[in-house]
Amino acid sequence: KAGVTQTPRYLIKTRGQQVTLSCSPISGHRSVSWYQQTPGQGLQFLFEYFSETQRNKGNFPGRFSGRQFSNSRSEMNVSTLELGDSALYLCASSEAGQQFFGPGTRLTVL
Amino acid sequence: EDQVTQSPEALRLQEGESSSLNCSYTVSGLRGLFWYRQDPGKGPEFLFTLYSAGEEKEKERLKATLTKKESFLHITAPKPEDSATYLCAVQEDDYKLSFGAGTTVTVRA
Repeated sequence: KAGVTQTPRYLIKTRGQQVTLSCSPISGHRSVSWYQQTPGQGLQFLFEYFSETQRNKGNFPGRFSGRQFSNSRSEMNVSTLELGDSALYLCASSEAGQQFFGPGTRLTVL
Repeated sequence: EDQVTQSPEALRLQEGESSSLNCSYTVSGLRGLFWYRQDPGKGPEFLFTLYSAGEEKEKERLKATLTKKESFLHITAPKPEDSATYLCAVQEDDYKLSFGAGTTVTVRA
């Protein structure tokens, strides 16, 4: 099976802009989770979607949102970007509780 | 309060010098404990899942063990290609993963 894919791999935006990141899970996986990874905070959970419904949410402001489509592909949106949003955004798809990560999208906010 | 604490933060080993990484956790209802390996610029790579105290899993030079309060990742006779950041994560009943800060392992030839 193909692994988790994320697009784009790299992104540069300026403060105040918005961004949409995409994740395609492993075929057959219905759960998709999103994480933010920064050197200072490590890996932090953003949210999880299962069968198009948000099942869990981490402690991030409302500027961070997501959705999942009927084919299990997921998108994450960040509005009104701040410098502190610069990070590696990771998507993971899971089956039977085991999460498999994609390569991530490196977002730089200038 | 951190739920998952990993130690040490960094570990420098000589090739062949075995060592252990520690992951201690304070969650009340553990569904599973996960170990991942992460190389620079890449997503975490799944290594092991442990579900109950006393459980052990092995893969090549790596062996993970679990007690009621902590997990150890033992690296036996490491090679330079074992250099990476090793992440521990715990999963509670709500399926969320809480990650530790990781241990960066450097193995010198």
